[in-house]
Amino acid sequence: GAVVSQHPSWVICKSGTSVKIECRSLDFQATTMFWYRQFPKQSLMLMATSNEGSKATYEQGVEKDKFLINHASLTLSTLTVTSAHPEDSSFYICSARDRTGASSGNTIYFGEGSWLTVV
Amino acid sequence: AQSVAQPEDQVNVAEGNPLTVKCTYSVSGNPYLFWYVQYPNRGLQFLLKYITGDNLVKGSYGFEAEFNKSQTSFHLKKPSALVSDSALYFCAVRTIYNQGGKLIFGQGTELSVKP
Repeated sequence: GAVVSQHPSWVICKSGTSVKIECRSLDFQATTMFWYRQFPKQSLMLMATSNEGSKATYEQGVEKDKFLINHASLTLSTLTVTSAHPEDSSFYICSARDRTGASSGNTIYFGEGSWLTVV
Repeated sequence: AQSVAQPEDQVNVAEGNPLTVKCTYSVSGNPYLFWYVQYPNRGLQFLLKYITGDNLVKGSYGFEAEFNKSQTSFHLKKPSALVSDSALYFCAVRTIYNQGGKLIFGQGTELSVKP
């Protein structure tokens, strides 16, 4: 199946600093990527929809100035957590949809996730 | 509003026995239904999907799911469970009206297969 790569897998940062997480579609083009947040043993909470070449669409309650999303190319979206605080510590997962691959149909593929710990 | 329900937080099965993980949905329009599996500290792996056609869908690792329109269900099944199937399972739905393919997830079901 299609591969979505996230980097870094684990990151620890100090409170008040910013951290960037990358999401890449390795073997397909993704005009749309999604960013989720997940707490332990809970479901995924959609944070925002990242659209290539345009502004991201944020879900209600998600601070767009805190969680900056950039989708600069058809294979890369980044999530930057600005001025991170301990409550931002979480598992962040991205996903991407291959719109051009006929064999994949409407399947959405997920990255391996990134653990953020803010100390 | 679209929603997905997984009524069981946890399912316990003995190895070799059949397993079922339940999922019901509520959408406007025709649903696209998905099952994903998540192992600890990992992302989600795609198992199978129903888009159209045969109601019985076969997927990865011996899993299958049956789309039942009248009951708005899409239960995940496997004839013989393995210990390695122990993980967190998510059902998800989208429709053509979802922007770019946004998925609505159920709350997840933790499957535990004991030897």
